[in-house]
Amino acid sequence: LAKTTQPISMDSYEGQEVNITCSHNNIATNDYITWYQQFPSQGPRFIIQGYKTKVTNEVASLFIPADRKSSTLSLPRVSLSDTAVYYCLVVSYNTDKLIFGTGTRLQVFP
Amino acid sequence: NAGVTQTPKFRILKIGQSMTLQCTQDMNHNYMYWYRQDPGMGLKLIYYSVGAGITDKGEVPNGYNVSRSTTEDFPLRLELAAPSQTSVYFCASSGTGPPAGELFFGEGSRLTVL
Repeated sequence: LAKTTQPISMDSYEGQEVNITCSHNNIATNDYITWYQQFPSQGPRFIIQGYKTKVTNEVASLFIPADRKSSTLSLPRVSLSDTAVYYCLVVSYNTDKLIFGTGTRLQVFP
Repeated sequence: NAGVTQTPKFRILKIGQSMTLQCTQDMNHNYMYWYRQDPGMGLKLIYYSVGAGITDKGEVPNGYNVSRSTTEDFPLRLELAAPSQTSVYFCASSGTGPPAGELFFGEGSRLTVL
């Protein structure tokens, strides 16, 4: 299982773009990267999943460089409601175990 | 759609008591997971199941048991509750894997052991 490393916390202001980077140095060839968002007192919610290059949906973009040893979740123009914990997860063809890391606590200020 | 339903939402147990946390999903998902989340911490995988009749240990299985007799249900049993099991428990399911697709989480069950 690829271990992930993320910053513990980040601060931002409303309207700014936020980039959260996740390191996964021992990612395997067929592994995917997935990001989840968790609000207080709620279960995590799926944001985006990707394998390489760039993936974009209505909520976020995911950038994965060619070596795939890291990935960056990009949140455009954050609002107060984006204050949450964000988890990077590596999912694998080789195991059904899904291990969450410690996540990044994002605080958005007015 | 109900999605993933957990009961109870809150429970207080005395040390040494036992209880079962219920988890039901109506999405016909094969993959189901139990996580615990201590205050201010990340999620820890307790047990998971890839289909009816198949379960496996996660990161922190000690003190817990699971069963998966149907596709829909994945109950988590706590035997001899201890204060260290005070936590919020989340059940999740996924319709695909491996690799896992989107995980759908329940609202959580908050357990306090006194």
